[in-house]
Amino acid sequence: DAGVTQSPTHLIKTRGQQVTLRCSPKSGHDTVSWYQQALGQGPQFIFQYYEEEERQRGNFPDRFSGHQFPNYSSELNVNALLLGDSALYLCASTRLAGNPEAFFGQGTRLTVV
Amino acid sequence: AQSVTQLDSQVPVFEEAPVELRCNYSSSVSVYLFWYVQYPNQGLQLLLKYLSGSTLVKGINGFEAEFNKSQTSFHLRKPSVHISDTAEYFCAVRAPGGNQGGKLIFGQGTELSVKP
Repeated sequence: DAGVTQSPTHLIKTRGQQVTLRCSPKSGHDTVSWYQQALGQGPQFIFQYYEEEERQRGNFPDRFSGHQFPNYSSELNVNALLLGDSALYLCASTRLAGNPEAFFGQGTRLTVV
Repeated sequence: AQSVTQLDSQVPVFEEAPVELRCNYSSSVSVYLFWYVQYPNQGLQLLLKYLSGSTLVKGINGFEAEFNKSQTSFHLRKPSVHISDTAEYFCAVRAPGGNQGGKLIFGQGTELSVKP
């Protein structure tokens, strides 16, 4: 049983560019959440997707957007990248009804130069 | 709204010694509580969780935690640590169900460093 998979594992972008990160949830999970973890900090909630809609959003600007596909996989898009967007981006999946345990992927390390 | 405070940013300890990592939380509603571990350049792995019932919960790798509602704490303990326990540990809370279901609020993390 594959767990949560994220791609790519590492990414280097230039300020002002746009980036797309991808996540496949654990088998049987229907809800995907994205988190940003800056160096030395705890993860911060960006948003959550369920039934292809954004259900909750944290305190992040509109430059951060997402999408969920019918197969429950998800994308995180960040536009107009800033140096401060450099972080580890984590995807977590859960089942909306059932065990509230969230399973995390290995993350994508984004570096903005 | 919920918040989590991990009281120690770094905890150095010798191998085979006991350890306690402290976590306090704030919430106006009942919450689920979690401890996650993060090894370098890795994602988060669940150590244990408190949903309801017995306040003492046991997790993987010999860790346990005790939920104390009156003190709003959820401290993590291990009676004897190993070198391999060296990692970052995160306490997190989540409101059950409803519009807040699924959103985890994390503490800042505690770096556990086990020395030989």
